[in-house]
Amino acid sequence: GQNIDQPTEMTATEGAIVQINCTYQTSGFNGLFWYQQHAGEAPTFLSYNVLDGLEEKGRFSSFLSRSKGYSYLLLKELQMKDSASYLCAVTDSNYQLIWGAGTKLIIKP
Amino acid sequence: DAMVIQNPRYQVTQFGKPVTLSCSQTLNHNVMYWYQQKSSQAPKLLFHYYDKDFNNEADTPDNFQSRRPNTSFCFLDIRSPGLGDTAMYLCATSSDPGQISSPLHFGNGTRLTVT
Repeated sequence: GQNIDQPTEMTATEGAIVQINCTYQTSGFNGLFWYQQHAGEAPTFLSYNVLDGLEEKGRFSSFLSRSKGYSYLLLKELQMKDSASYLCAVTDSNYQLIWGAGTKLIIKP
Repeated sequence: DAMVIQNPRYQVTQFGKPVTLSCSQTLNHNVMYWYQQKSSQAPKLLFHYYDKDFNNEADTPDNFQSRRPNTSFCFLDIRSPGLGDTAMYLCATSSDPGQISSPLHFGNGTRLTVT
């Protein structure tokens, strides 16, 4: 079966750096997305990786290793507004989007 | 601004009483999706349209139906809601049916509670 694994919950301190990991086992791979979802709201797009390596976008960066079936989202200079769930999603060989259950990130002052 | 709009934001319905959720978009995207998301779970795809072509997921209950009368609008009909249908319902659009590089644009969701 197809599977995406993320930690259920993480806690970090305001101003610090946090890394949220995602591992996937899917039938083929056509790209990986990270979305942010605040409580009670819809997901919003953060990043897309299809080639190995690091994609940087402001305070957020996303890394992909296709050979390891692994990605991470790196958040720097954490702010209280970064408290949210972060969802990893992979497009498989049938162009189906497979979602992880998300990692709830709690930021403490 | 181009966007995806869902109405209502919150909906309460009684067990077995039909309910319709609506979604509209000004992005002119070909593809529209309906997802169900329960607390702390991954979004679950119910169905999607590529233009007028309807695609039902194999495990979507028959109780859930959808209509897309034109490019801009899409509706989710729940014919006889059960308590287990309490969830957030998310409408999303995409310009790329292959979902390669093009992200999904979500509406704000409808929080449905079945009592």
